[in-house]
Amino acid sequence: GESVGLHLPTLSVQEGDNSIINCAYSNSASDYFIWYKQESGKGPQFIIDIRSNMDKRQGQRVTVLLNKTVKHLSLQIAATQPGDSAVYFCAEKANNNDMRFGAGTRLTVKP
Amino acid sequence: GAVVSQHPSWVICKSGTSVKIECRSLDFQATTMFWYRQFPKQSLMLMATSNEGSKATYEQGVEKDKFLINHASLTLSTLTVTSAHPEDSSFYICSALWVTSTDTQYFGPGTRLTVL
Repeated sequence: GESVGLHLPTLSVQEGDNSIINCAYSNSASDYFIWYKQESGKGPQFIIDIRSNMDKRQGQRVTVLLNKTVKHLSLQIAATQPGDSAVYFCAEKANNNDMRFGAGTRLTVKP
Repeated sequence: GAVVSQHPSWVICKSGTSVKIECRSLDFQATTMFWYRQFPKQSLMLMATSNEGSKATYEQGVEKDKFLINHASLTLSTLTVTSAHPEDSSFYICSALWVTSTDTQYFGPGTRLTVL
């Protein structure tokens, strides 16, 4: 699947605050979700994933929440740091391996 | 684990020439790789799905004769931009599918192509 080329929404937070990045997905049959982080001039980097049989999963400073009822995915970053500044993409995948990417959100961390 | 490399990381070429970009999965085998294109400040756009030992599957609107894909081994896929023109200038990113219980895609670092 392909994502539509759109200008990215932005989120600006103060260093040390928590960040919440949201994503609405489209396919009710999607059963696997991933958050990627992309820094300028680099490829996307895997952050955290979650299966559809879970509604929350925690990593190091990151938490992913899944609400299948409204097809909503969020990424929470605790104590946001300048190094967290990047574009964050959500991705959804159904059984046919067709992965679809969201438009992405640009996170800017202010010192 | 799950490291994907791309080569070159950047390339500048003259209009009309062809450019080959390599994508390698370094520590796992990938029967499926993907090629994406990304314009500044935009999301990833899937160009094609590359399957080892078979023809690539191209997304609608992507010219298969212009963007040649070869997936000759379980760790290498190549994208050749033929007769490149300035409008082909972009950031090209590959990903490799690590077949596990979740089938996660891992991305390469990208290749910046500039066509003069």
